[in-house]
Amino acid sequence: GQQVMQIPQYQHVQEGEDFTTYCNSSTTLSNIQWYKQRPGGHPVFLIQLVKSGEVKKQKRLTFQFGEAKKNSSLHITATQTTDVGTYFCAGPPTGNQFYFGTGTSLTVIP
Amino acid sequence: GAVVSQHPSRVICKSGTSVKIECRSLDFQATTMFWYRQFPKQSLMLMATSNEGSKATYEQGVEKDKFLINHASLTLSTLTVTSAHPEDSSFYICSATRVNNEKLFFGSGTQLSVL
Repeated sequence: GQQVMQIPQYQHVQEGEDFTTYCNSSTTLSNIQWYKQRPGGHPVFLIQLVKSGEVKKQKRLTFQFGEAKKNSSLHITATQTTDVGTYFCAGPPTGNQFYFGTGTSLTVIP
Repeated sequence: GAVVSQHPSRVICKSGTSVKIECRSLDFQATTMFWYRQFPKQSLMLMATSNEGSKATYEQGVEKDKFLINHASLTLSTLTVTSAHPEDSSFYICSATRVNNEKLFFGSGTQLSVL
């Protein structure tokens, strides 16, 4: 199946610092989605990117879809303790299978 | 927003028994439901994709006779772990979409512990 890798696997930041996670797919993606999973919880949808080179912002979160539609990034500006969790990208190569990336676990130190 | 209900949230069973997990879309009809397995501090591994009224599509390496999936209606999918063994212990989570390629709505997950 499709392979979607994310780096880094873990990230510890001081509160107020920025954070970025990168998502790379082995195949071209028709779209990419980002999810957040809090410790002990289930994944919650954040955003979907469809167009090549697309950039979307949600308050302190900036999402970007690569020109080749094989990579994406999530950047958080000035992290807060509420940002703690694991961030996953997910994208179907074709059809409707949803494969998740390996995830980046974010710890924010107060 | 769309709500997906998953039951039970936690189950402990003896080795050799079967366990059924239910996944319901409460306020929408789910065109497709997905079943994932997640180990501690790891990603979600897609096990199978199911569509109402048709056989589930299993991912490579997932035993279809071991993990029986029934998608009897547009609002209900079940996963039965047959003859469970300790290595089947894991967090199982379902999700559903209303429209193909739309975002996923997740259930709260089921923590299965096989003794």
